[in-house]
Amino acid sequence: NAGVMQNPRHLVRRRGQEARLRCSPMKGHSHVYWYRQLPEEGLKFMVYLQKENIIDESGMPKERFSAEFPKEGPSILRIQQVVRGDSAAYFCASSPPGASNQPQHFGDGTRLSIL
Amino acid sequence: GDSVTQMEGPVTLSEEAFLTINCTYTATGYPSLFWYVQYPGEGLQLLLKATKADDKGSNKGFEATYRKETTSFHLEKGSVQVSDSAVYFCALLMNSGGYQKVTFGTGTKLQVIP
Repeated sequence: NAGVMQNPRHLVRRRGQEARLRCSPMKGHSHVYWYRQLPEEGLKFMVYLQKENIIDESGMPKERFSAEFPKEGPSILRIQQVVRGDSAAYFCASSPPGASNQPQHFGDGTRLSIL
Repeated sequence: GDSVTQMEGPVTLSEEAFLTINCTYTATGYPSLFWYVQYPGEGLQLLLKATKADDKGSNKGFEATYRKETTSFHLEKGSVQVSDSAVYFCALLMNSGGYQKVTFGTGTKLQVIP
């Protein structure tokens, strides 16, 4: 009975490299949300995806960041040419289709460190 | 836009003390309200929820009542334990354009000392 699975749990990258974060939603969930948590801060919404569609990316930086949720496989958050300011915890959440006021379920996050 | 304001931490209490963490919100419609808890190095776990005015959410001794007149959802526990030490997030959920939009407070760190 797996919940939301994120990997890797920890990721270290040097400045200029690419970071790929993966998220597998709970079984039966087709909606995926990505959040970023900076140290000592709350969660900030980045992007909301359904299978093969980006629904709302209003919280995602316009450059270097992209997200996808393909028909098969996990959702991917991709950060190109990482900088020190990208160091944060990135959380994925999922919800089932048609969910109105039911809570989102969160993964344990990926902690990204940029050297 | 929607927003959530939580009391700032950290909050330090002795074991068995009474806990209150204040949370107020602004929203254009009728949100659902949640409290999440985050233990060190982990993700967010749903603690309790309330979906309409005057609902009381409760779990593991924690309670919060949805107060529409004061736009508040304060978290309370009668007797805290060391194991309650964590960061607590208040959140509101609105349905917008057929999908969920969740807004989080900045979190309140609770430290319970023996």
